[in-house]
Amino acid sequence: DIQMTQSPSTLSASVGDRVTITCRASQNINDWLAWYQQKPGKAPKLLIYKASSLESGVPSKFSGSGSGTEFTLTISSLQPDDFATYYCQQYSIYSDFGPGTKVHIK
Amino acid sequence: QVQLQESGPGLVKPSETLSLTCAVSGYSISSGYYWGWIRQSPGKGLEWMGSIYHGGSTYYNPSLKSRVTISLDTSKNQLSLKLNSVTAADTAVYYCARGPPAEYFQHWGQGTLVTVSP
Repeated sequence: DIQMTQSPSTLSASVGDRVTITCRASQNINDWLAWYQQKPGKAPKLLIYKASSLESGVPSKFSGSGSGTEFTLTISSLQPDDFATYYCQQYSIYSDFGPGTKVHIK
Repeated sequence: QVQLQESGPGLVKPSETLSLTCAVSGYSISSGYYWGWIRQSPGKGLEWMGSIYHGGSTYYNPSLKSRVTISLDTSKNQLSLKLNSVTAADTAVYYCARGPPAEYFQHWGQGTLVTVSP
């Protein structure tokens, strides 16, 4: 299977900060990558698919980039509602999720 | 708007079979899309278990393939998950979800917690 890693594993940030989360795949997955946001006790919510396509209804402050083995999720101006855990998912060969990045308030 | 709702026993004994269903409303599962099960152990990350196309083709996580079965019941508009020979390591919140074929998951159920314990 394809191994997915994320960095950092936790991130302390303030309201208004621009934050970037990195996801790496153990082999080339082209742009078959999605990003999800999950809040405690809730199901994950799709933010980005195909590495950089914004899911309908998701604010444009979320953006994704990358291809091949390295990808990033950027939140342009962190708001209180954005403090959550973020996961990447490859769907090039079957499906694997990254271990998550928890974004919490500094 | 499609909605998914998982249900099933919240407690399963070790070595037994875990069985869950996912009731789908707002969309006919026989019309299309790709339906999957994803689980999350307490305090841990997400694990894709397997998926099924509306036509019935199935794809399983190689690490679980020998123990998992996913099926569709079009008469009830629901999908099901069976995981046999469970151990405490199978304790998790189990989610069903829908997405484009072999891709990401756009719509998720709320999840159901299953505990494996004697």
